[in-house]
Amino acid sequence: ILNVEQSPQSLHVQEGDSTNFTCSFPSSNFYALHWYRWETAKSPEALFVMTLNGDEKKKGRISATLNTKEGYSYLYIKGSQPEDSATYLCAFYDGNNRKLIWGLGTSLAVNP
Amino acid sequence: DGGITQSPKYLFRKEGQNVTLSCEQNLNHDAMYWYRQDPGQGLRLIYYSQIVNDFQKGDIAEGYSVSREKKESFPLTVTSAQKNPTAFYLCASRSGTGGSYGYTFGSGTRLTVV
Repeated sequence: ILNVEQSPQSLHVQEGDSTNFTCSFPSSNFYALHWYRWETAKSPEALFVMTLNGDEKKKGRISATLNTKEGYSYLYIKGSQPEDSATYLCAFYDGNNRKLIWGLGTSLAVNP
Repeated sequence: DGGITQSPKYLFRKEGQNVTLSCEQNLNHDAMYWYRQDPGQGLRLIYYSQIVNDFQKGDIAEGYSVSREKKESFPLTVTSAQKNPTAFYLCASRSGTGGSYGYTFGSGTRLTVV
């Protein structure tokens, strides 16, 4: 059974702090790793789709790295702002069954 | 603006009734998906469709049915056979079906059985 684990489950930081969370996924038969941000009462929004080992992607103050050999991805937020408060979901693309396997998410709260 | 519209936002159903959740997209995406979210669980795939007039069962299809008569629309019917239908339902679409295509999501429908 393919499993995606995210840690920590929740995180509280102060405005201006930098933070990071982890997504662990199966290291064999890698196709792609997705990151999404889900703000309360809104739709989940795609942040990154990562396909290559060693890949690093950036969107404003948010960046992500990928290690497919050891099966993990880090999401970094530099200088957190209250508007960054959301649940961050990662999902591993199971190419054999053509579907995403979702983690439970990391819930981030940024205090002003 | 292009996007996915799910309706209604909240839905209450009596036990034994079928209900249909609407999902419409104007993104010209070929693939559409229905997910279910329950507390403490990751998103679980109910049904998906990669092309008009074709759809496939996901991991938890029992008690649900779908249709894909138009590219823009992928309605989900929760039937009386679904034993525990109270949940949050998300519809998604994407332009391709490989792993590198990101998903665009609707804002969801919360279904409660009363």
